[in-house]
Amino acid sequence: DQQVKQNSPSLSVQEGRISILNCDYTNSMFDYFLWYKKYPAEGPTFLISISSIKDKNEDGRFTVFLNKSAKHLSLHIVPSQPGDSAVYFCAASEVGNQFYFGTGTSLTVIP
Amino acid sequence: DTGVSQNPRHKITKRGQNVTFRCDPISEHNRLYWYRQTLGQGPEFLTYFQNEAQLEKSRLLSDRFSAERPKGSFSTLEIQRTEQGDSAMYLCASSSGTGGPKTQYFGPGTRLLVL
Repeated sequence: DQQVKQNSPSLSVQEGRISILNCDYTNSMFDYFLWYKKYPAEGPTFLISISSIKDKNEDGRFTVFLNKSAKHLSLHIVPSQPGDSAVYFCAASEVGNQFYFGTGTSLTVIP
Repeated sequence: DTGVSQNPRHKITKRGQNVTFRCDPISEHNRLYWYRQTLGQGPEFLTYFQNEAQLEKSRLLSDRFSAERPKGSFSTLEIQRTEQGDSAMYLCASSSGTGGPKTQYFGPGTRLLVL
């Protein structure tokens, strides 16, 4: 059973606009969340994290929002750049060390 | 470079053969993880070490799979009697600290193809 879901397999955005990537989870015990970016033939690269005690975390152009009641998190990229084109994975963990990953969203930023 | 490294990057083998992959974590990281990723899926957790102790194993880790981290530094993942269903990208990650979840940093992966 998929505990972390990314329901949009792909997303296209114009350069300079906002990209919003969504992630839903089913386990209310998850308390730490990560976003990764992955280019083809490379391992995932860590982008940003958020713990359940927060509802927002920012790092430069990247902001992650967490809505615990809805079991939903989102990654906002503003402004989007062509170099942001990649597959984005969200991951969640319940205190321990096993992270559950979504199936990814492929972002294309159109110049 | 102080990132996570994995060797080999690619491995092609015939069904029934044994294969071994190596992971060198970021030097100060005491935690090491193995994941498997197949096409169209996110990484799936296989196992986790804190120092040399293997603390968690997934149901996905059948008895044909074994992982070691003998000195708490590098780790090896061995697959015995490989099957075509073992074809996947095998990812290693590391993190530091103790206690609750910490951000994991991934290596480039080893892509396995079983013919």
